[in-house]
Amino acid sequence: QVQLQESGPGLVKPSETLSLTCTLSGGSFSSYYWNWVRQPPGKGLEWIGYIYYGGSTNSNPSLKSRVTISIDRSRNQFSLQLSSVTAADTAVYYCAREGERSGFDYWGQGTLVTVSS
Amino acid sequence: QSALTQPASVSGSPGQSITISCTGTSSDVGNYNLVSWYQQHPGKPPQLMIYEGSKRPSGVSNRFAGSKSANTASLTISGLQAEDEADYYCCSYAGSSTWVFGGGTKLTVL
Repeated sequence: QVQLQESGPGLVKPSETLSLTCTLSGGSFSSYYWNWVRQPPGKGLEWIGYIYYGGSTNSNPSLKSRVTISIDRSRNQFSLQLSSVTAADTAVYYCAREGERSGFDYWGQGTLVTVSS
Repeated sequence: QSALTQPASVSGSPGQSITISCTGTSSDVGNYNLVSWYQQHPGKPPQLMIYEGSKRPSGVSNRFAGSKSANTASLTISGLQAEDEADYYCCSYAGSSTWVFGGGTKLTVL
């Protein structure tokens, strides 16, 4: 059974870089897209971006200049970096698996990241 | 890339059917048959209920059905049950390898 688990600091200072890692267990990176989605408290979902198992990436145009997604196959992990954060980046961050345009079928439990000094 | 439009809330009584709409544009919902729907209970991650417009993942009840007409996708839940009370989100492929979510709909089972 595929399982995803997010990890990283729960508090980040304004203007700094948010860094999160998603660890995959029970499955393989092959042939899937590995995504980040966030949800501000009490609000809706926002797609952040993905990394394909082959290493190609893409991200939401509204966040593109601040987003970096990478993969470490040896550790079964993929990561998100979001630079120059503000309070508006406070959210629960989820990692999720996507098949070939077939929806996000596995999600992590999510991790709350608060941006505050 | 603007968020898809969903009603903020819908409600229904047990046993009834409800439909949640998801309106996009000809650049996303109207141009691809790649709408997915997610159910989210409080404090939990979203769960995939419908993908590719109308397909159900294994384990999802056949009381959930997806459809599309022009720029609007819809999720219909029949035989409403108390456990269906949750937030529901649509998501569409928006071209150029990007995705866009709807604002979410709170379903209340009366």
